[in-house]
Order: sequence, then C-alpha cells, then structure tokens
Amino acid sequence: GQNIDQPTEMTATEGAIVQINCTYQTSGFNGLFWYQQHAGEAPTFLSYNVLDGLEEKGRFSSFLSRSKGYSYLLLKELQMKDSASYLCAVMDSNYQLIWGAGTKLIIKP
Amino acid sequence: GAVVSQHPSWVICKSGTSVKIECRSLDFQATTMFWYRQFPKQSLMLMATSNEGSKATYEQGVEKDKFLINHASLTLSTLTVTSAHPEDSSFYICSTKRKTPDKYSTDTQYFGPGTRLTVL
Repeated sequence: GQNIDQPTEMTATEGAIVQINCTYQTSGFNGLFWYQQHAGEAPTFLSYNVLDGLEEKGRFSSFLSRSKGYSYLLLKELQMKDSASYLCAVMDSNYQLIWGAGTKLIIKP
Repeated sequence: GAVVSQHPSWVICKSGTSVKIECRSLDFQATTMFWYRQFPKQSLMLMATSNEGSKATYEQGVEKDKFLINHASLTLSTLTVTSAHPEDSSFYICSTKRKTPDKYSTDTQYFGPGTRLTVL
C-alpha cells in the first residue's frame, strides 16, 4: 500500500531552526509537496521537490532523496506565526496526491 | 490573493437535512476540482474528483448518493451532503488543480478556505 510517515508533533523555540522529516512509500513518484495548515484553515502550498537536493525559499527549505524515499522541510528563524501543521504529500504514478497526516509544530517563546 | 473560495465558511444543521457547499475558482477556469474531508487531528481524505461537464469520480468508501457533486461550470463545483448525520460533521475542503509558482510549474492543488459542517 501507499504510506507517508511524518512525526505527529514537534516543539521548537522562537528564532531557532527545526527540521520536519517525511518518509514515503508510494506506487510511483511524480514529486513531493509541502503544505502549511493553520488551525481551522485550509492548507497552503509551500514547496515542491521532484529532483534530489535542496530547494530554498526564504526561511523555508525542502530537501528530497528519491533513493531513500525521504524528504525534510527546514524552517529557519522560527516565528510564532509558523505554529501550524505541516503536511507532506506525494504525487503518485496516477498523478494523485497521497497525503501524510501532518506534523503539528508548536513554537514556544 | 485567494484563488479558490468556498461558501459557507461554517454551517450548523439538524440531522436529516441537506447542506450544499459551493467551491469557486476565482481567477482560473478549473476543469478539475477536488473535494476533501478532514476530521480533527487527521489527514486530508480525498472524497471525489470533480470534472466539469461529467460525473464525479468518487473514492472507495464514499457514498456517491450521499455526497452529490455537481461541476456545472468551469468556475463552480458544489458538494451536497444529503440527509446529514452527526458523523458527517467535519471540515470539507475543495481544491483546484493549478501550476506551482516556481521553476517547475507543475500541477499541484490550491485549496479553498474550507467549510466546517456541524450536524446536531
């Protein structure tokens, strides 16, 4: 079956750096997406990786290793507004998005 | 700015009634829209894929007669929860297939703000 694993919850300090990992096993691979979802709101697109390596976008970076079925989202200079759930999603061979359960990130002052 | 809108944002209804949720693509002709459901602290669950001018494709386990989807135009898809029951209480989110705003310009999904349904 298809499976995406990410930690349920993480806690970090304002101003620090946090890395949220995602491992996946899917039927085919057409890219990996990271979304941010604040409580009570819909997800918003953060990043897309389809080739191995690091994609940097301001304070957020996303890394992919296709051979390991592994990705991480790196958040730098954490701000209180970064408190949210971060969803990892993989597009499979049918171009369907397979969603992880999300990682709830708690930022403490 | 927002590219997908949903209405209503929240709705409370009595058990047995039907509720219609609208999803609009604001600046884009969306031939494909997706409907998701999300229970508290759980992942997004795809309910159905809505294609303009044709019948929706439902995921396994989703009752098509209970969750009626109509995608009558390129900017509007509706989800009607018929004879709603308390177990249908959830966060319903629609999305449209759009290109990512990066160098890859690949297909991804942009979400509406969601509709919180509470069935008493």
